[in-house]
Amino acid sequence: AQTVTQSQPEMSVQEAETVTLSCTYDTSENNYYLFWYKQPPSRQMILVIRQEAYKQQNATENRFSVNFQKAAKSFSLKISDSQLGDTAMYFCAFIQTSGSRLTFGEGTQLTVNP
Amino acid sequence: GAGVSQSPSNKVTEKGKDVELRCDPISGHTALYWYRQSLGQGLEFLIYFQGNSAPDKSGLPSDRFSAERTGGSVSTLTIQRTQQEDSAVYLCASSSSSGILDTQYFGPGTRLTVL
Repeated sequence: AQTVTQSQPEMSVQEAETVTLSCTYDTSENNYYLFWYKQPPSRQMILVIRQEAYKQQNATENRFSVNFQKAAKSFSLKISDSQLGDTAMYFCAFIQTSGSRLTFGEGTQLTVNP
Repeated sequence: GAGVSQSPSNKVTEKGKDVELRCDPISGHTALYWYRQSLGQGLEFLIYFQGNSAPDKSGLPSDRFSAERTGGSVSTLTIQRTQQEDSAVYLCASSSSSGILDTQYFGPGTRLTVL
């Protein structure tokens, strides 16, 4: 079974600064996909970024980028130039190529302070 | 519709009562998922529907939980004889197919409180 671990229940950052959220996972699969989702107080889960395990290049979406270390089974999210609207719960998620269900970590509550 | 909608937004019920939670997926999406989010925890997969195929019910925690999807669109999650540990936010998601990279679009969830 796959597991996803987020070891930082809460983090805070000053507006305009950079913050990194950690995620590790455990799987025996070689082909899979990883995601970061954002859940603001509205409860709506929003996809932030995704990474295919077979790609060595780290995914980037504007201010959001990942550091994917396949051997270490690590998948951290870096948010640059943090904005107040980035305040939310962030979830790391995993899906194997042969499956359809997402396996989520416990989440990290990020607060961006003015 | 503009996105996935769920109703009710909040539901308070007494222990032992049955509840029904509704999900309206994005029009044309063939795949539909139910997840449960307990306080302080991540999302837990419950059930998955894809087109006319038999649903994947492997995540349902007990036989008190059931779900159906009528006409390949609207889905209802039913919890019978609710227990306090059923209190959680129930999230529904849909995607255009079951492809891995097809983004799952989530609804706002139903917060269920069992007294």
